[in-house]
Amino acid sequence: EVQLVESGGGLVQPGGSLRLSCAASGFTFSSYEMNWVRQAPGKGLEWVSYISSSGSTIYYADSVKGRFTISRDNAKNSLYLQMNSLRAEDTAVYYCARGDYYGSGSYYINYFDYWGQGTLVTVSS
Amino acid sequence: DIQMTQSPSSLSASVGDRVTITCRASQSISSYLNWYQQKPGKAPKLLIYAASSLQSGVPSRFSGSGSGTDFTLTISSLQPEDFATYYCQQSYSTPIFTFGPGTKVDIK
Repeated sequence: EVQLVESGGGLVQPGGSLRLSCAASGFTFSSYEMNWVRQAPGKGLEWVSYISSSGSTIYYADSVKGRFTISRDNAKNSLYLQMNSLRAEDTAVYYCARGDYYGSGSYYINYFDYWGQGTLVTVSS
Repeated sequence: DIQMTQSPSSLSASVGDRVTITCRASQSISSYLNWYQQKPGKAPKLLIYAASSLQSGVPSRFSGSGSGTDFTLTISSLQPEDFATYYCQQSYSTPIFTFGPGTKVDIK
């Protein structure tokens, strides 16, 4: 059974830092792309960051670029999100999500097929 | 950047109703469109990928259609467990993704 379990959330002051972790099990972690998605209280979903299966390709949403760093340790089946210079608007539940795809050759459609239960990050003084 | 809109933002329906939710992209995204369901306090769940392909284990009352800029999610006969918020997501600009703002389906 595929499982993704986030941890590391909590209360942090503006300007502070936090490191989120996502422990994966039930699949070959090193074969899959991974993402972080967040959801502010009462709001919709916002994609935050992507990392390729090897970790060599990384992308960020403009809202977190330069402040957040995604990484992974395939030997430990773990995904991370280092969050620095946190702002009140970063307050959200953070989900890790596995990326998979449909198609072949030059035509493939990515989607998020498994999600963790989320971890709440609250940025407040 | 590709922007996604959904309509309506919310709707009230009864068990057994046919429900249709629309998602529109700011530019053509071919069939690079996915749908997710989220219940309160829970993680999103993939329903439909590639605009019309049903994810394994998802009931057949859910269907998706569309291509280009306009897409629809249809629930053929609404069940009590379907009351939730539904999000579309474009993956045309992979690996940068955009979600729609969501459509909340509640009980009439």
